[in-house]
Amino acid sequence: DTAVSQTPKYLVTQMGNDKSIKCEQNLGHDTMYWYKQDSKKFLKIMFSYNNKELIINETVPNRFSPKSPDKAHLNLHINSLELGDSAVYFCASSFRDGNSPLHFGNGTRLTVT
Amino acid sequence: GQNIDQPTEMTATEGAIVQINCTYQTSGFNGLFWYQQHAGEAPTFLSYNVLDGLEEKGRFSSFLSRSKGYSYLLLKELQMKDSASYLCAAMDSNYQLIWGAGTKLIIKP
Repeated sequence: DTAVSQTPKYLVTQMGNDKSIKCEQNLGHDTMYWYKQDSKKFLKIMFSYNNKELIINETVPNRFSPKSPDKAHLNLHINSLELGDSAVYFCASSFRDGNSPLHFGNGTRLTVT
Repeated sequence: GQNIDQPTEMTATEGAIVQINCTYQTSGFNGLFWYQQHAGEAPTFLSYNVLDGLEEKGRFSSFLSRSKGYSYLLLKELQMKDSASYLCAAMDSNYQLIWGAGTKLIIKP
């Protein structure tokens, strides 16, 4: 199936741990994104990569580090997890031109205890 | 600054019509998107407008007025499955999306 797939779907971990979320798209898109959606359902952009190059890096703690080995993959590593990191993290992809809609992965629900 | 405003919540009756409004302020403008998000799921693309006017897609239509910084999503013949959040997002001159907080639509039988 053509899609944006991210793993894991659920992630429960303790404060202070380090965790990674993986994302892959097979839609041929050149741009990938990480979004955070908190309990108030507001979607906040974290990072965006175009052809493996970082183009958006919003005000995000440096405990969050994205890595794009190629334009089909964008992974997110989080160090020293905190309670406030609990949220749903969505990966998305698109073409960079203006009218290309985002295609979202199914989300990773991260719970930090 | 850049901003998107849309109502937090709306309620409508099955079979009826509902209009969800969105106003935006962005640095430049490269189009406006509407997405649907069911609870616990990912947002899915509904529509894109960059020129003034109405775009119709089945039961859903989206309208844009660039001069007024205004858009609406019109849902006709409402079905229970239309209960979801509807997200408005405007693209600025740098092709970055500015997202609204979403409108939770509740459909009652």
